[in-house]
Amino acid sequence: DAGVTQSPTHLIKTRGQQVTLRCSPKSGHDTVSWYQQALGQGPQFIFQYYEEEERQRGNFPDRFSGHQFPNYSSELNVNALLLGDSALYLCASSFGSGIYQPQHFGDGTRLSIL
Amino acid sequence: GNSVTQMEGPVTLSEEAFLTINCTYTATGYPSLFWYVQYPGEGLQLLLKATKADDKGSNKGFEATYRKETTSFHLEKGSVQVSDSAVYFCALSDRAGGTSYGKLTFGQGTILTVHP
Repeated sequence: DAGVTQSPTHLIKTRGQQVTLRCSPKSGHDTVSWYQQALGQGPQFIFQYYEEEERQRGNFPDRFSGHQFPNYSSELNVNALLLGDSALYLCASSFGSGIYQPQHFGDGTRLSIL
Repeated sequence: GNSVTQMEGPVTLSEEAFLTINCTYTATGYPSLFWYVQYPGEGLQLLLKATKADDKGSNKGFEATYRKETTSFHLEKGSVQVSDSAVYFCALSDRAGGTSYGKLTFGQGTILTVHP
């Protein structure tokens, strides 16, 4: 039973570019959340998708956008990259989005901005 | 808003020592509480959870009790092993805006190093 898978593992971009990160949820899960983890910090919530719609959003600018597909997989897009966007981006999935459902995390995409 | 505060790290212990990592929280509602562990180069793994007051979560020898009166969820283990070396995150999941969407709020993490 495959867990949450993310691609790519590592990515290097320059300021001003755009990037797309991908996530496949754990089998049977229908909700995907994205988090940004800066070095030495805890993950920060970006947004959550359920039934192909953004359900809630953290304190991130509109440069961060996402999408969920009918097969529940998801993409995170970041436009006009800044040096401060360098971080580990984590995808988490769950069955339903209630507060009792534990979220299962992928290994993340390490994004470096030069 | 919601917040989670963990004890400052890093924590360095000898094998078989007793471990406590303190965690306190602030929440607008009645949250569920979690401990996640992150090994080097990996994502987060759920270690244990508790969903209501006085619940005790436990897994792999780790325990934490949901204390509503002190808004705490301290992580403990009686005898740590070298393989327990990792970063530990306390987190809460609360209702957002009256709905039950489970957004996670994390603490800053505590680095644990266990020496043989």
